[in-house]
Amino acid sequence: SAVISQKPSRDICQRGTSLTIQCQVDSQVTMMFWYRQQPGQSLTLIATANQGSEATYESGFVIDKFPISRPNLTFSTLTVSNMSPEDSSIYLCSVEDLGNEQYFGPGTRLTVT
Amino acid sequence: DQQVKQNSPSLSVQEGRISILNCDYTNSMFDYFLWYKKYPAEGPTFLISISSIKDKNEDGRFTVFLNKSAKHLSLHIVPSQPGDSAVYFCAAGKDTDKLIFGTGTRLQVFP
Repeated sequence: SAVISQKPSRDICQRGTSLTIQCQVDSQVTMMFWYRQQPGQSLTLIATANQGSEATYESGFVIDKFPISRPNLTFSTLTVSNMSPEDSSIYLCSVEDLGNEQYFGPGTRLTVT
Repeated sequence: DQQVKQNSPSLSVQEGRISILNCDYTNSMFDYFLWYKKYPAEGPTFLISISSIKDKNEDGRFTVFLNKSAKHLSLHIVPSQPGDSAVYFCAAGKDTDKLIFGTGTRLQVFP
């Protein structure tokens, strides 16, 4: 199993600003993912972040808006840039272990005013 | 186009009885399916999975059934307990491709 922590757990931000969310895993993992869960909606994959390569973004998400870093096998960051109220959501970091089981962090609840 | 659907947004079940959560999918290429449980203010927790070569997988009180011809899976919880009250997401994937999640079903188990 993998234990994942995220910082911050929640934040309230003003429109036009940016927030960087950190994800720390207690073991080395190859595949890390960033998800978003908007109010009343399902989990939506934003991007896959693999160490040593650029993140792969899903349709509807772009690097300029959601830049991702993956400096090593235990850490990743997601930045939500130039925020608008539509970005209010829970952002979740997730990892996949060698057994293809997926684990999620506790999430970061973002409110944009 | 929603490839994974959970048509019941909520379900209320009495303690001790069976909870049945349903999930439908449209992509016949999906070859593994998972259920996650999510408590408020926490990330989803993996519950149980099933590959397309099986039609049933059981783990304690939790059983997942897969009907490939109907593109339908269900999660049975027997007996239901108040601590099972949470939002349940089904998810589907192909090989090691990304998971597609349903919109979730909120289960409430009352005494």
